[in-house]
Amino acid sequence: GAVVSQHPSWVICKSGTSVKIECRSLDFQATTMFWYRQFPKQSLMLMATSNEGSKATYEQGVEKDKFLINHASLTLSTLTVTSAHPEDSSFYICSAREGEAYQPQHFGDGTRLSIL
Amino acid sequence: QQPVQSPQAVILREGEDAVINCSSSKALYSVHWYRQKHGEAPVFLMILLKGGEQKGHDKISASFNEKKQQSSLYLTASQLSYSGTYFCGTESDVYNFNKFYFGSGTKLNVKP
Repeated sequence: GAVVSQHPSWVICKSGTSVKIECRSLDFQATTMFWYRQFPKQSLMLMATSNEGSKATYEQGVEKDKFLINHASLTLSTLTVTSAHPEDSSFYICSAREGEAYQPQHFGDGTRLSIL
Repeated sequence: QQPVQSPQAVILREGEDAVINCSSSKALYSVHWYRQKHGEAPVFLMILLKGGEQKGHDKISASFNEKKQQSSLYLTASQLSYSGTYFCGTESDVYNFNKFYFGSGTKLNVKP
């Protein structure tokens, strides 16, 4: 149980392109979804959290207009990197949590984004 | 706000023990432990909620100190499969439990 599917696994695209990443909880309803960015050999840095039907809460320093998050249903959240540039290249990973606090986060397999 | 983990890296022989520490500058509401293998998603290990709590399964256990500012992960009689990077994750505010931060990570390498 508690499977989170993240698509695509990797993306290579030209600078200026917008890229959408999907995160789906397959066998549970995700009250909250988290989006992280991870640089090589570093920890996961929280970008934003989203609750179904409400606006995402972004961490300080994360551009809302750059990283658009939509949590349309209890099983789907999307992250769109708008007008991506080489500095946006990174490993993006989502997680989903069922219920409120004290519950584990279940992670997708991540998306490796490379902007040329 | 990011918890501090120590050590940064550990090399063990199979069967040896290790302790990974996670500390915060303020009281924590919960501590989560995850393990991430290279190129894979983090996998949940356990959550500790109460000061003084200890939990474990198989030969991996964890404690959460009374003041709720530190947690330790104990790996006993390590196996090759224990290799990976261990992260603690913390929630520090009962009213703001979506503020979740991962520690810097501890890379564990278990050798035969």
